[in-house]
Amino acid sequence: QKEVEQNSGPLSVPEGAIASLNCTYSDRVSQSFFWYRQYSGKSPELIMSIYSNGDKEDGRFTAQLNKASQYVSLLIRDSQPSDSATYLCAVTVGNAGKSTFGDGTTLTVKP
Amino acid sequence: GAVVSQHPSRVICKSGTSVKIECRSLDFQATTMFWYRQFPKQSLMLMATSNEGSKATYEQGVEKDKFLINHASLTLSTLTVTSAHPEDSSFYICSARDKSRGTVLNEQFFGPGTRLTVL
Repeated sequence: QKEVEQNSGPLSVPEGAIASLNCTYSDRVSQSFFWYRQYSGKSPELIMSIYSNGDKEDGRFTAQLNKASQYVSLLIRDSQPSDSATYLCAVTVGNAGKSTFGDGTTLTVKP
Repeated sequence: GAVVSQHPSRVICKSGTSVKIECRSLDFQATTMFWYRQFPKQSLMLMATSNEGSKATYEQGVEKDKFLINHASLTLSTLTVTSAHPEDSSFYICSARDKSRGTVLNEQFFGPGTRLTVL
């Protein structure tokens, strides 16, 4: 079992729809959870961080964390073609530990 | 804020030469910097963790004598690919953690990456 697993994708949604990206992790003591967006040929860009159970909203993005289920998700409302990218879920164990990244889910938003 | 730069952005070299890649945190001090490698259509692969003033910690399977890491200051880390070969061709990306954000808010901020092509 991988430490961090994401939907294999690719995920395709029409413009204006809600895109839902999911991530599960195996280490129960994980403390920090991140979503990064990576455009083709570019480096990852941090879009959301979440540290406690519940929802965290930032503009069109909402991260949801459920530590009991070891599950973190990212919702993108009103999806735009510019949201088309690979989304990476990352999990950190401990305060200064390295992050473990999932393999990413590629999202395509069709006009 | 939280800007990380990398230089060069792209490098082409002959097999057997060494290539140095610089990673700088421009507007913050970095407690820790990470070096990743990414092959086309694959995920990030952590190569090593670099802490200022101490030796880098390499991931299993990464040759420390081939990938030399120097973290000389709180704003600069370098990765040197020694005696590069075509199989080392990849996208090398560094990231940094902001010292001022403490150890709980431990986001990583990524540099733009360096595309290495070894002929």
